[in-house]
Amino acid sequence: KQEVTQIPAALSVPEGENLVLNCSFTDSAIYNLQWFRQDPGKGLTSLLLIQSSQREQTSGRLNASLDKSSGRSTLYIAASQPGDSATYLCAVSRGAGGTSYGKLTFGQGTILTVHP
Amino acid sequence: KAGVTQTPRYLIKTRGQQVTLSCSPISGHRSVSWYQQTPGQGLQFLFEYFSETQRNKGNFPGRFSGRQFSNSRSEMNVSTLELGDSALYLCASNPTSGDAFFGQGTRLTVV
Repeated sequence: KQEVTQIPAALSVPEGENLVLNCSFTDSAIYNLQWFRQDPGKGLTSLLLIQSSQREQTSGRLNASLDKSSGRSTLYIAASQPGDSATYLCAVSRGAGGTSYGKLTFGQGTILTVHP
Repeated sequence: KAGVTQTPRYLIKTRGQQVTLSCSPISGHRSVSWYQQTPGQGLQFLFEYFSETQRNKGNFPGRFSGRQFSNSRSEMNVSTLELGDSALYLCASNPTSGDAFFGQGTRLTVV
């Protein structure tokens, strides 16, 4: 059974800091890994998708890496801003000929607070 | 391009009642997944429908069911509601590329 763990559970940083969020998973047979952002009471916004054959993806100030062999992913946020405050969730979908891409296993999330 | 639409946004039901939630995926997406989010358990997978067929199922009791129509719209139903069913129910629209696009969710409160 796939298990996803995110560390730390919460993080509070001053504006402008670079930070790293960690995600680990127990089964390396994944189809892809996604990072999401969730604002309180809202749905999930997809930030980055890394296919199982890729090592990293970048979007603006965000960079996500994937190491399947060690079962780890990191989300790097550069020059953090108060608007980055949210819960960040990591999710993996299991590979099985591609038929399981609609089933995501989520971590518990990291609550990020960026204060001015 | 329209996003994922979930209705209703908020719902209050009494224990023992049943409820139906609706999700309209992004046009062209044939896969729809449902998730339950609670403070204690986090986000848990309920089921996935692809071309009107249930393709994956999570570990939830039979009171939770779903279906998908020919236009890819999906509904989930919860019968005999319990207090513990209070949660944010999220629907995801899944293209074949594998990334998931989520709706804003339906907040269900059971009293």
